[in-house]
Amino acid sequence: DAEITQSPRHKITETGRQVTLACHQTWNHNNMFWYRQDLGHGLRLIHYSYGVQDTNKGEVSDGYSVSRSNTEDLPLTLESAASSQTSVYFCASSETGVPTYNEQFFGPGTRLTVL
Amino acid sequence: AQSVTQLDSHVSVSEGTPVLLRCNYSSSYSPSLFWYVQHPNKGLQLLLKYTSAATLVKGINGFEAEFKKSETSFHLTKPSAHMSDAAEYFCVVQLSGTYKYIFGTGTRLKVLA
Repeated sequence: DAEITQSPRHKITETGRQVTLACHQTWNHNNMFWYRQDLGHGLRLIHYSYGVQDTNKGEVSDGYSVSRSNTEDLPLTLESAASSQTSVYFCASSETGVPTYNEQFFGPGTRLTVL
Repeated sequence: AQSVTQLDSHVSVSEGTPVLLRCNYSSSYSPSLFWYVQHPNKGLQLLLKYTSAATLVKGINGFEAEFKKSETSFHLTKPSAHMSDAAEYFCVVQLSGTYKYIFGTGTRLKVLA
């Protein structure tokens, strides 16, 4: 069965360190998304990609970067981790087509703590 | 600008009683609307989506939502709550002409025995 996986599931790091969160999907979807989930905010879009070599900033992109070298993977990098980036991170993917009623498929999440 | 507002951050119901989770949307266009559910420590799962084919949308696990344009609402209902329905529920609007989502802030449903 096709799926979307994230690793690690839990991560504790220190302020100032670089951290990379992995996202891998076997749906063969062109669209991939990274969100962060914080209490009272729902999910907010960090970065997204509509295909290989394509990346775009979302509403909360400061301090984060992504790269897309193949269809299956969209790693999220925190350049210099800050305590404000303690959150739960979700990766999602969706197929390309007419951009209406477009279902996104979500990974299980990564809980990141920055001390 | 498109947005969704979930009117209740927490809802408690007794097992076997009806569930109502409220969502209002703001959109100049015919919206693409979704309800997702997140069980504790899990990812999000699609419950149902509004596709304009019908105003009453049936989803998984007995959930339904009714699209009311005049009220700009897309409330989620279930006739009889089950303990396994305890979770967080998100109302979502897809930004017109894009694949991007705007999430509501979520409603945490508690089901009492």
